[in-house]
Amino acid sequence: GQQVMQIPQYQHVQEGEDFTTYCNSSTTLSNIQWYKQRPGGHPVFLIQLVKSGEVKKQKRLTFQFGEAKKNSSLHITATQTTDVGTYFCAGPNTGGFKTIFGAGTRLFVKA
Amino acid sequence: DGGITQSPKYLFRKEGQNVTLSCEQNLNHDAMYWYRQDPGQGLRLIYYSQIVNDFQKGDIAEGYSVSREKKESFPLTVTSAQKNPTAFYLCASSMWLADYEQYFGPGTRLTVT
Repeated sequence: GQQVMQIPQYQHVQEGEDFTTYCNSSTTLSNIQWYKQRPGGHPVFLIQLVKSGEVKKQKRLTFQFGEAKKNSSLHITATQTTDVGTYFCAGPNTGGFKTIFGAGTRLFVKA
Repeated sequence: DGGITQSPKYLFRKEGQNVTLSCEQNLNHDAMYWYRQDPGQGLRLIYYSQIVNDFQKGDIAEGYSVSREKKESFPLTVTSAQKNPTAFYLCASSMWLADYEQYFGPGTRLTVT
């Protein structure tokens, strides 16, 4: 079945270091969404990418959608302790009726 | 304030009892979803509904049931048939279809002993 895979599963960084998580879909996606879940909290929508090759920035966060619309990445520059949490990518299934979530990348930031 | 509410935040039940988790939204969203999250794991889809009086099974529907009698409400019942019901349950809503971002409720942590 359709799958959305994320790597790495975990990432430990020192505060100030950069961080990147990668997302790969087994099928072409009409769009990709990114969510952040703080420890003990619920997922919160960050951004949606729709166009092939699209790049969007939110302060220190840079999101990319691959040319083939099958992969995406989230890059955080100069991590802060407030960046701690799990980052999920997600995309619509082939029928478009439900969203397939990746397993998430859990980010730990050491001060 | 627009949003999704889930109650209660924590729920404790004895094995063999059915339990219903509440989910209400005032975002006027057509679609609603229930996910299960186990510690350190991702989100697994239990049920989803695109319109009132209609819902579809997700990837792990066994042992769960839902209803969608009103647009604003999508309660989930965890039945005694669910083998490992202890988990974090998240309700979400979105505009029509999965092309739109999902808004999540705060979740209910269910513990069954």
